[in-house]
Amino acid sequence: GDSVTQMEGPVTLSEEAFLTINCTYTATGYPSLFWYVQYPGEGLQLLLKATKADDKGSNKGFEATYRKETTSFHLEKGSVQVSDSAVYFCARDTGGFKTIFGAGTRLFVKA
Amino acid sequence: DTEVTQTPKHLVMGMTNKKSLKCEQHMGHRAMYWYKQKAKKPPELMFVYSYEKLSINESVPSRFSPECPNSSLLNLHLHALQPEDSALYLCASSQERSANTGELFFGEGSRLTVL
Repeated sequence: GDSVTQMEGPVTLSEEAFLTINCTYTATGYPSLFWYVQYPGEGLQLLLKATKADDKGSNKGFEATYRKETTSFHLEKGSVQVSDSAVYFCARDTGGFKTIFGAGTRLFVKA
Repeated sequence: DTEVTQTPKHLVMGMTNKKSLKCEQHMGHRAMYWYKQKAKKPPELMFVYSYEKLSINESVPSRFSPECPNSSLLNLHLHALQPEDSALYLCASSQERSANTGELFFGEGSRLTVL
């Protein structure tokens, strides 16, 4: 069935380091793709999205490009901050009301 | 600030208690959702309401009873819960499916502990 696979965490980085969190999906058709972020003690919030192939979503310095040929949607940020410490979920739309989430990747950023 | 408001933020209840979780949104969204999230796991879908009608029930035990009184409100009634039901319960909303790219708007959650 359809699924989303993202890299296992936790990921620990020093401040100003480059971040990549890998995400791949399986799908029939071309789903919308999302990255959600969950800060400690909070709900999820949309970080960025892309709705078609080659679209680049971006927000708060984070970017991800919808790659149809590799079925990937990797999250990147050039210089992370301590405040970016959170859990990041890759997700895909199903065309209905269900969203398929990846397992989540916890990011720790050290000062 | 989240535009989906959940109350209470924390709830402790015994296995014989009856309690309710409440959710409110004023974005004009016509789809509302309940998710359950255990620690270090992604959210799991429980229920979806579309235009105030129950659209999806993911085989949730009957001790969880959802209610959608109007297009802005969503409740989750809890009765005779088990300790394993302790989790973060997240409410979310979205546009109706035909206009929806799938983006969900989440509340901050209600953290439930069942003793």
